[in-house]
Amino acid sequence: DSGVTQTPKHLITATGQRVTLRCSPRSGDLSVYWYQQSLDQGLQFLIQYYNGEERAKGNILERFSAQQFPDLHSELNLSSLELGDSALYFCASSLSVDLTGELFFGEGSRLTVL
Amino acid sequence: TQLLEQSPQFLSIQEGENLTVYCNSSSVFSSLQWYRQEPGEGPVLLVTVVTGGEVKKLKRLTFQFGDARKDSSLHITAAQPGDTGLYLCAGGWDGNKLVFGAGTILRVKS
Repeated sequence: DSGVTQTPKHLITATGQRVTLRCSPRSGDLSVYWYQQSLDQGLQFLIQYYNGEERAKGNILERFSAQQFPDLHSELNLSSLELGDSALYFCASSLSVDLTGELFFGEGSRLTVL
Repeated sequence: TQLLEQSPQFLSIQEGENLTVYCNSSSVFSSLQWYRQEPGEGPVLLVTVVTGGEVKKLKRLTFQFGDARKDSSLHITAAQPGDTGLYLCAGGWDGNKLVFGAGTILRVKS
């Protein structure tokens, strides 16, 4: 158990819909990272938040957005869903703002868009 | 195009065999990490290498960082079925972006 909690574990929805994925980081960790894992693209970095502020942005689509709340949990919002958005979405947390600390990954949220 | 190229993509071996997985890039990384991911779970950090030429050992696993900090290898001695999984290398890029290779799927048969 990494200490990172992601909900829901599985989600099935239709194209055009909007979903929200939730992540609770390890106790004390201030950084939250979101990753997308698909068979053809592997693990792709989406976005990082540190103590409520956006710190780094990767290959995140404009249809996707994220935020980190004062209690440090984070949400990833995916809208106007397309078939190609079907993937595993991982959240990882870390104590540090940079990559010097270890990243702890949750078990992921599996999104299926039909 | 992946920033980090991993090879081989798939590896199926018998218990007791040795194997090496490679992670290559044309870019220099300040550090490189190796993760192992099992089905239904998130990646778990195995090791971080920081210094060019550095070698780290974790039981039967030996990790090496290339002298130029552009490549790394993971060597497993006497593989066991419990070593089965997806092995991922990852490097820090453009600040806080940890980029991953596509991974090597290892299957160790008993």
